[in-house]
Order: sequence, then structure tokens, then C-alpha cells
Amino acid sequence: EVQLVESGGVVVQPGGSLRLSCAASGFTFDDYTMHWVRQAPGKGLEWVSLISWDGGSTYYADSVKGRFTISRDNSKNSLYLQMNSLRTEDTALYYCAKERDSSSWFDYWGQGTLVTVSS
Amino acid sequence: QSVLTQPPSVSGAPGQRVTISCTGSSSNIGAGYDVHWYQQLPGTAPKLLIYGNSNRPSGVPDRFSGSKSGTSASLAITGLQAEDEADYYCQSYDSSLSAPRVFGTGTKVTVL
Repeated sequence: EVQLVESGGVVVQPGGSLRLSCAASGFTFDDYTMHWVRQAPGKGLEWVSLISWDGGSTYYADSVKGRFTISRDNSKNSLYLQMNSLRTEDTALYYCAKERDSSSWFDYWGQGTLVTVSS
Repeated sequence: QSVLTQPPSVSGAPGQRVTISCTGSSSNIGAGYDVHWYQQLPGTAPKLLIYGNSNRPSGVPDRFSGSKSGTSASLAITGLQAEDEADYYCQSYDSSLSAPRVFGTGTKVTVL
């Protein structure tokens, strides 16, 4: 059974930093591109970042470019999101998601971890 | 910001048919990229509903169907049921390097 379990979400002050983690199991982790998707309270889904199976390619939404860094450790079946210079508008539930094939759909999602940026 | 536009809400009585549109552009749906749909029940993570424009994953009832034409796609729910009340999102690939994956703005389906 595929499982994605996010962790690391907390309350942090504006300008602060945070690292989210996603532990994957039930599939061959290093075969797949992985993503972070976020959802602000009461709002829609926003794609944040992706990383290729080997970590060689990464992409970011304009809203987080230069502040967030996605990474993965295939030996630990884990995905990460380093979040720096946090803003109040980064407050959201952050989901990690597995992509089925290159440039395709998200077939599995985690339950999300809540990041609150507030003074 | 979303580049795929959906109506904010649609509603229907039990048993009725409702449709949700997803309008994109020449850099995503219009470029021939597939559209996928997700259902998000209250307080839960999104769940894949339709992939590759019109395919249902195992376990998704056949009252859900998808289609695509030009720069738009549609999700139809026939025989609407109370448990279909949820938020629905379309998603596609975009040729923009700054946001290669894009979601729709989301549609709330209300069962009257």
C-alpha cells in the first residue's frame, strides 16, 4: 500500500525557516517524480515544486522561487522542502504527491502538514 | 495563481446531471496536454478522479466522466448523489518552465 506521510509543519514567524519532510513507502521511491502542493485555508490547490526521480531536475512556482528548495534522499525514501524567508501568504496545508508518469497525474497524496506563518 | 479557470460553484438535486468546465490556454490544454480531475471531500486530501482526460481509476463510479476539446475540458457527474458534495479540481501540464504543473481554480459541488 502506497503511503506518503508529511511532517514538520509548525507555527513560525515571518522571515523564519522551516523544513518539511515526506516519508514514502509502498512503492519504488526512486522511480518517480515527486511534488509539493499547497492549499491555503479556504482556498484552492497550488502547485509548489517538483523534483525528478534522481534529483537532477527541480522546478518551482514563481511564488516560492528563490525561497524554497526541494530535495530528496532516495536511500531514505524521503522528500523534503526547505522553506526560507517565510511570508504570511505561505500559510497553508502542504501536501506531498507522487506523479504517476512523466508529465502526468498525481496518483497518491499525503494527508498534509500545516504551516502557519504568523507573528 | 491558477491558469485553468473553473466555475466557483455548481449545484444540482439528487439524481441530476452536473458539469464542471475547465478552461485553459495554448500553453496547456490547447497544446494537447492531458487533463486530470481530483475530488476533495471536506477535511481530506485530494483524490484522483479522472486521468488522461476521460479515464477512471479503479473504484471510481462510472457516473463520473471526463472529456476534452480544444482549450477546455469538462467533468460530468450523472445521477448526482449526496456523497458527491465536494470540491473538484482540474489539472494539466503547462509548457511554462515556471509552473509546469497547473491546477484549476476549483469548483464546489453542492447537492440540493
